[in-house]
Amino acid sequence: DQQVKQNSPSLSVQEGRISILNCDYTNSMFDYFLWYKKYPAEGPTFLISISSIKDKNEDGRFTVFLNKSAKHLSLHIVPSQPGDSAVYFCAASALGNQFYFGTGTSLTVIP
Amino acid sequence: DAGVIQSPRHEVTEMGQEVTLRCKPISGHDYLFWYRQTMMRGLELLIYFNNNVPIDDSGMPEDRFSAKMPNASFSTLKIQPSEPRDSAVYFCASRRRQGNTEAFFGQGTRLTVV
Repeated sequence: DQQVKQNSPSLSVQEGRISILNCDYTNSMFDYFLWYKKYPAEGPTFLISISSIKDKNEDGRFTVFLNKSAKHLSLHIVPSQPGDSAVYFCAASALGNQFYFGTGTSLTVIP
Repeated sequence: DAGVIQSPRHEVTEMGQEVTLRCKPISGHDYLFWYRQTMMRGLELLIYFNNNVPIDDSGMPEDRFSAKMPNASFSTLKIQPSEPRDSAVYFCASRRRQGNTEAFFGQGTRLTVV
């Protein structure tokens, strides 16, 4: 049973525009959320995270928003660049234990 | 640091053969995770260790799968006997400690069972 869900398998965005990737979770015990980026033939790399005590965390072009009441997480990339084209995984953990990952969203940024 | 190192990068084997995947975590990391990537389930946790001790192996799909961590710098995931449905990319990841810290992934082993 997927505790972390990414319902959009793919997303295409024009270069310079905003990319919004969404993630939903079911376990109210989750207290730490992360986004990973994955290029083909490589392992996932950490992008940005947020603790459940916050509702927003920003790092350069990347911002993660957390809506605990809706159990929803989103990643905003502004402005989107062709190098951002990759698969993005949402992940969550509870009490510092294992990470649960979503199925990923493939982002294509069109030049 | 060289990061998490996995070997081999690619493995092609015949159905019924034993397959062993290897992982060297980042030095000083207390947690080690084995994941399998599939289209249907994304990154699926198979098992994880804390200080070389298996903590949760509920994600191991069948008894054909086993994992060991004999010391802090080495872990193996073994499939015996292998089946075509085991074909996937297997990732190892390590994490420094419990709490709000990220995990670092290796480059993965692409397993093909024919």
